Amino acid sequence: GQQVMQIPQYQHVQEGEDFTTYCNSSTTLSNIQWYKQRPGGHPVFLIQLVKSGEVKKQKRLTFQFGEAKKNSSLHITATQTTDVGTYFCASNFGNEKLTFGTGTRLTIIP
Amino acid sequence: SAVISQKPSRDICQRGTSLTIQCQVDSQVTMMFWYRQQPGQSLTLIATANQGSEATYESGFVIDKFPISRPNLTFSTLTVSNMSPEDSSIYLCSAEEFGTEAFFGQGTRLTVV
Repeated sequence: GQQVMQIPQYQHVQEGEDFTTYCNSSTTLSNIQWYKQRPGGHPVFLIQLVKSGEVKKQKRLTFQFGEAKKNSSLHITATQTTDVGTYFCASNFGNEKLTFGTGTRLTIIP
Repeated sequence: SAVISQKPSRDICQRGTSLTIQCQVDSQVTMMFWYRQQPGQSLTLIATANQGSEATYESGFVIDKFPISRPNLTFSTLTVSNMSPEDSSIYLCSAEEFGTEAFFGQGTRLTVV
C-alpha cells in the first residue's frame, strides 16, 4: 500500500539547536503536506509542496521537496520551546484522501 | 479556511454501548474524513464521509462498527458501536477541498471501560 515513512521517530534537542525530520516514500508523491500537532492538540497545517525540488520557508522553518518527489524534509533553525510537538508529513498520492507519515516527536530541553 | 467544531471532546463509556461524535464545519466543504489516532501514533483513516451517499471505508473498518452520516456539506457524524476497550482512542474529523490543506476538529478522546 501507499506509505510514507518518517525519521527519526523521536528527537530531543537543546533549545537553540537545529532540528530536521525526513519523509520518504517508495512511490512518487503528487504533493507533500506538513502538519504540526501539539501535545493534546489536533494536527495543524503548515505548508504544501507540489513541485520537484521546491523549497519554502516560514520564518525558522524550511521545507524541501526532493527532485524525484519521493522525499521531503522539514528543518527548524534554532529551536524554541514553542516548537514542541509531533510533525507529520502527508500526501494525497493523487487521490482524494490524505495518507499521513509516521510522525516525528520533537521535545526541547530548555 | 474552515473551523470545525467537534463534540464531545472526551467521554468515558461502558463496553457494549455506542457513542456518536459530531463535526460541524463553518463553511461548505467537499470532503470530510474520520481518523483514529492512538496516543503517540500517527493518524489512521477510518473512512471518507460522502455527502448524500454511503461512506467509503478503509481496510479494517466496517460500516456496522463505525456508521457514518453526512447529510449535508457542513456536518458529519461518526458512531462507534458496541464499544470494547480496544476502541479507546482519539477520533478526529477533518475537512478539505481536494489538494488543499486539511482542517481538523479538536478531537474526541474516548475511553471504554
